[in-house]
Amino acid sequence: EIVMTQSPATLSVSPGERATLSCRASQSVSSNLAWYQQKPGQAPRLLIYGASIRATGIPARFSGSGSGTEFTLTISSLQSEDFAVYYCQQYNKWPPLTFGGGTKVEIK
Amino acid sequence: QLQLQESGPGLVKPSETLSLTCTVSGTSISSSNYYWGWIRQPPGKGLEWIGNIYYSGSTYYNPSLKSRVTISVDTSKNQFSLKLSSVTAADTAVYYCAGADSRYCCWFDPWGQGTLVTVSS
Repeated sequence: EIVMTQSPATLSVSPGERATLSCRASQSVSSNLAWYQQKPGQAPRLLIYGASIRATGIPARFSGSGSGTEFTLTISSLQSEDFAVYYCQQYNKWPPLTFGGGTKVEIK
Repeated sequence: QLQLQESGPGLVKPSETLSLTCTVSGTSISSSNYYWGWIRQPPGKGLEWIGNIYYSGSTYYNPSLKSRVTISVDTSKNQFSLKLSSVTAADTAVYYCAGADSRYCCWFDPWGQGTLVTVSS
């Protein structure tokens, strides 16, 4: 099973600042990595797939990078609606499909 | 527009079987374009993949749950279902159904809104 580790667990950021979230895989997942955003009481929403491809309707301030075992989600200028929990998920080798533990982005 | 909606009991007794259904609209569940999946999230915790089913009937389960899980498709109702047997309090979670593009399996989009299932006597 591929273990996904996200850091930090909580990130405190001021509106308008940049946020950088990390996701590490226990073995290479190539570029088969997705990022999701989840707000309280809502289902996760796909942001990024293929490590760097924005899903339909996702603003350009969200960008993904990395390959192999190290990945980054960057939010270039945080908006109020971006404060949420973010999860990464690998789909390179499954079953099982595996998610990271999440990073909570909170208002500083 | 593809949409999914979970339904089923919100309360299940310990040792019994949890049964949920996901109704798919906007495409045929028999389409080869999608895998259909179940993911759960215990209160205040992260996401755990339960399993997927393909239109052909092929199923893929999380090894940690495999002995207790069955996912099936009902093409006549455009639905797929989850059964989880011998539940305990640890199975209390919000259960989501989701679709995954079969060309790039599997990242999930879209998701249903989720349904909370509590295991308690």
